[in-house]
Amino acid sequence: DTAVSQTPKYLVTQMGNDKSIKCEQNLGHDTMYWYKQDSKKFLKIMFSYNNKELIINETVPNRFSPKSPDKAHLNLHINSLELGDSAVYFCASSQDSGATTEAFFGQGTRLTVV
Amino acid sequence: LAKTTQPISMDSYEGQEVNITCSHNNIATNDYITWYQQFPSQGPRFIIQGYKTKVTNEVASLFIPADRKSSTLSLPRVSLSDTAVYYCLLKAAGNKLTFGGGTRVLVKP
Repeated sequence: DTAVSQTPKYLVTQMGNDKSIKCEQNLGHDTMYWYKQDSKKFLKIMFSYNNKELIINETVPNRFSPKSPDKAHLNLHINSLELGDSAVYFCASSQDSGATTEAFFGQGTRLTVV
Repeated sequence: LAKTTQPISMDSYEGQEVNITCSHNNIATNDYITWYQQFPSQGPRFIIQGYKTKVTNEVASLFIPADRKSSTLSLPRVSLSDTAVYYCLLKAAGNKLTFGGGTRVLVKP
């Protein structure tokens, strides 16, 4: 069983389109995250949710809107896609935000905007 | 937030021990030192975590001196499959998991 699963794995789309990436975790965790890894391989946190409530919202354009229908799911919707949005997006989850809590990452979604 | 500094890259050969040192001069009292590993085209994976002294698990060892201003991740007898990026992070309760640039380890045959 995959602990944290994201769909799709690859996404190629044109500028201006709206797209969504889905994430599900079957670990029973309370906290979920979205990270963006750019071409230089830096991993940056975008959002964090705890029990469906937004707790971290980094400086991310409001074209990006996370939605958590329940604590096992955290989807990422992106409006009006731009070339600079091309990156690998990782979903992750952890039991809580404790210091010793391990985060589990999905396999990533490679988004290419053309 | 305390930052970490680690080498950009390291090369090694199969069977050797790889030691990656991470500097964190401004580590806070409630920070835990945490290491993640990322293989190409995969998400990061937790390797090991410690607060002080030495921690060992089936994958690696983590050495932390008394002043906690640095730490060393030790990978014993690496194989080709250990080629990855290794991230050193500081994690405190309630804080986000912040990744730096990581160290690219290339294991050669």
